[in-house]
Amino acid sequence: GNSVTQMEGPVTLSEEAFLTINCTYTATGYPSLFWYVQYPGEGLQLLLKATKADDKGSNKGFEATYRKETTSFHLEKGSVQVSDSAVYFCALSGSGGGADGLTFGKGTHLIIQP
Amino acid sequence: SAVISQKPSRDICQRGTSLTIQCQVDSQVTMMFWYRQQPGQSLTLIATANQGSEATYESGFVIDKFPISRPNLTFSTLTVSNMSPEDSSIYLCSVRIGGGQETQYFGPGTRLLVL
Repeated sequence: GNSVTQMEGPVTLSEEAFLTINCTYTATGYPSLFWYVQYPGEGLQLLLKATKADDKGSNKGFEATYRKETTSFHLEKGSVQVSDSAVYFCALSGSGGGADGLTFGKGTHLIIQP
Repeated sequence: SAVISQKPSRDICQRGTSLTIQCQVDSQVTMMFWYRQQPGQSLTLIATANQGSEATYESGFVIDKFPISRPNLTFSTLTVSNMSPEDSSIYLCSVRIGGGQETQYFGPGTRLLVL
């Protein structure tokens, strides 16, 4: 079945540091890939997505490129801010059970210190 | 996108009781889903709520424990039956708008504590 593996945190960085959160996946077919973010006390929000190989999703300074050859979708940001502190989830479409739900990674807790 | 509301936002329940969670969307959507997020864990898909027919459950989830209704294209309910402390989780409704859009949008969640 489908699965998503992402680096587990917490990841602690200083403000303005470069961020990479690794995400790799296993899937049948050609899934779409997503990054969702959950800010403290808030619901899950879509951050960015990519629907086919070599697509780059971007939003709020974050980027991720769909790499089929390495089955990866790593999240990057050049200069993080304290407001980026949140839990980040990598996900792919298709649940492995034939339904249309998403398969999520375990989430990475990011802490940005001023 | 879609605006999704859930009721209740949180509840504290006694073991052995049942709780029904409502999910309302501000527009008609093709697909609705229910997820569970256990404390400190990721999201796990419970089932796909099908309009006018029985929900499609994922492995490890059964209709007797999590009955789901979807009477129309904007509303669904999830019931957590005969609750135990292990059911303490956040339950989230999500929707897919359709028209080729694969993105899922999530409701704010229902935080459930079972004593």
